[in-house]
Amino acid sequence: AQSVTQPDIHITVSEGASLELRCNYSYGATPYLFWYVQSPGQGLQLLLKYFSGDTLVQGIKGFEAEFKRSQSSFNLRKPSVHWSDAAEYFCAVGARGSQGNLIFGKGTKLSVKP
Amino acid sequence: ETGVTQTPRHLVMGMTNKKSLKCEQHLGHNAMYWYKQSAKKPLELMFVYNFKEQTENNSVPSRFSPECPNSSHLFLHLHTLQPEDSALYLCASSQEGREYNEQFFGPGTRLTVL
Repeated sequence: AQSVTQPDIHITVSEGASLELRCNYSYGATPYLFWYVQSPGQGLQLLLKYFSGDTLVQGIKGFEAEFKRSQSSFNLRKPSVHWSDAAEYFCAVGARGSQGNLIFGKGTKLSVKP
Repeated sequence: ETGVTQTPRHLVMGMTNKKSLKCEQHLGHNAMYWYKQSAKKPLELMFVYNFKEQTENNSVPSRFSPECPNSSHLFLHLHTLQPEDSALYLCASSQEGREYNEQFFGPGTRLTVL
């Protein structure tokens, strides 16, 4: 079955510390992978996406993610977290020809300590 | 207006009321989606419209009735809802027919059913 797993429900990091949010997927076809961020009371904003090519992708707000096919993972990273990064982060997987249907993980809530 | 807009942003309704949620996309896309986001649950895809035709209905109860009069507008008509229908309802759009299926989200409508 197709699925996305974000094993960490809630993570707290100190401002200025590095961050890694985990995402594992199970998908039959070649996956397209996305990370979205949601601030409280807001919709989802696309951080970055992977379709093909270089497995290390850069996104907005200083985020990056690495696609590792052998591990079925697409972890999100940021070298130095800012207080404004506190939000909920969602990993999603889709495939060409799936009429845009995405499968989302349950999300990881990020808190940032001063 | 830019991107994807949703109105109203907040809605409180009784179980016997009839109301409608509206979504408009200003991106020239040809596919639109309704999602339900409840606490502690992953995003649930409700409906997909591709070129104004409904292409997916994920076993959504009939008290939710979508309408897509054109590729820029999407409505969700609500009637005789239950308290468990209280959630954030997100609209999204994408351009189908491209190699990838990146979705752009609106800010959502926070619905409370009393």
